Amino acid sequence: AQSVTQPDIHITVSEGASLELRCNYSYGATPYLFWYVQSPGQGLQLLLKYFSGDTLVQGIKGFEAEFKRSQSSFNLRKPSVHWSDAAEYFCAVGTGYQKVTFGIGTKLQVIP
Amino acid sequence: NAGVTQTPKFQVLKTGQSMTLQCAQDMNHNSMYWYRQDPGMGLRLIYYSASEGTTDKGEVPNGYNVSRLNKREFSLRLESAAPSQTSVYFCASTRVNEKLFFGSGTQLSVL
Repeated sequence: AQSVTQPDIHITVSEGASLELRCNYSYGATPYLFWYVQSPGQGLQLLLKYFSGDTLVQGIKGFEAEFKRSQSSFNLRKPSVHWSDAAEYFCAVGTGYQKVTFGIGTKLQVIP
Repeated sequence: NAGVTQTPKFQVLKTGQSMTLQCAQDMNHNSMYWYRQDPGMGLRLIYYSASEGTTDKGEVPNGYNVSRLNKREFSLRLESAAPSQTSVYFCASTRVNEKLFFGSGTQLSVL
């Protein structure tokens, strides 16, 4: 069965600092991978997705993620965090059977 | 273009009552999903339907049933609600190699 691990439940960074949110997955074949963001009281917005091809994926709002098959990881990065990036971030893994499961999320706090 | 429509938006039930959450999408998507979201637990997959005519259990199916009524509609039924089912429920849909499109959510309280 597939699974997603987001080891950091809560992260605090200073505005302007770089950010990396970790995501590890477990699945026997090549998965497809997503990062979503959710602001308080809001729905989920897709930041980026990986299905195949280039393992470095660019997304919206200046985010990028890199798929590393050898490490079963899909970490999310941003070179300079803005206060508006404070939100909860979810990594998700999908399979060819269309089953999509999410991690427990990482809450990002941005301090001025 | 409505996207994914969920009803109701809010619901309060007493323990033991039953109810059905409705979900419809107008994007001609093959796959549909029901998730529940609880603080600190992320989104957990209850059931999904990879295509019309099929349904499969997700991570937390106990206490729920689903019906893929047609390609557009995917309902979630609670036969005998329990306080542990208090949650925010999201329906979603997608096609192959696409992102999930989510409904606006149903906030359910079971007293």
